[in-house]
Amino acid sequence: SQQGEEDPQALSIQEGENATMNCSYKTSINNLQWYRQNSGRGLVHLILIRSNEREKHSGRLRVTLDTSKKSSSLLITASRAADTASYFCATDDTGGFKTIFGAGTRLFVKA
Amino acid sequence: NAGVTQTPKFQVLKTGQSMTLQCAQDMNHNSMYWYRQDPGMGLRLIYYSASEGTTDKGEVPNGYNVSRLNKREFSLRLESAAPSQTSVYFCASSEAVGQPQHFGDGTRLSIL
Repeated sequence: SQQGEEDPQALSIQEGENATMNCSYKTSINNLQWYRQNSGRGLVHLILIRSNEREKHSGRLRVTLDTSKKSSSLLITASRAADTASYFCATDDTGGFKTIFGAGTRLFVKA
Repeated sequence: NAGVTQTPKFQVLKTGQSMTLQCAQDMNHNSMYWYRQDPGMGLRLIYYSASEGTTDKGEVPNGYNVSRLNKREFSLRLESAAPSQTSVYFCASSEAVGQPQHFGDGTRLSIL
């Protein structure tokens, strides 16, 4: 079974708009990570947020974490066509040594 | 920088054949992983190696075996391939378990 569930499954926006993706998970975690996957390629790590952090920024990326609701969001500001990809959240739970990935959100940015 | 290298990139097998997927990393990482990715399912962990000399089962280990040959290399073996094992296989590595993972570009495996 998967730990993280992303929402929405797919998102289509215009270049310049902001894109928000959400992730919900089930168990207590040590940290939560977001990855990007371009078509036909491996995943690329974007950002890691620890369970004691509430918000983190990296360039045009903003990640929030609400451990009381067991949820996280990824905001991409001023999106570009090059941001077109699938985005996955991944959690490391406190009970094991495995990183569990969600099914992903497919983002399409129209130029 | 090579990062994580997977071979082969593509392979077609017949049911019952065996095959070993190779993975090597040049980042001196301690931990390595094998995942499979099926449409709409995200990545599922098959096996991982937290450090050289150790291997552990992930979420979907049945039908697979692994070998951590040395710190750099982690191979995945299908002893008797089945059509249900048609998938894209990704190898990844990280400094330690729970740290950001670096992925290869995958092996696309079809079993007829």
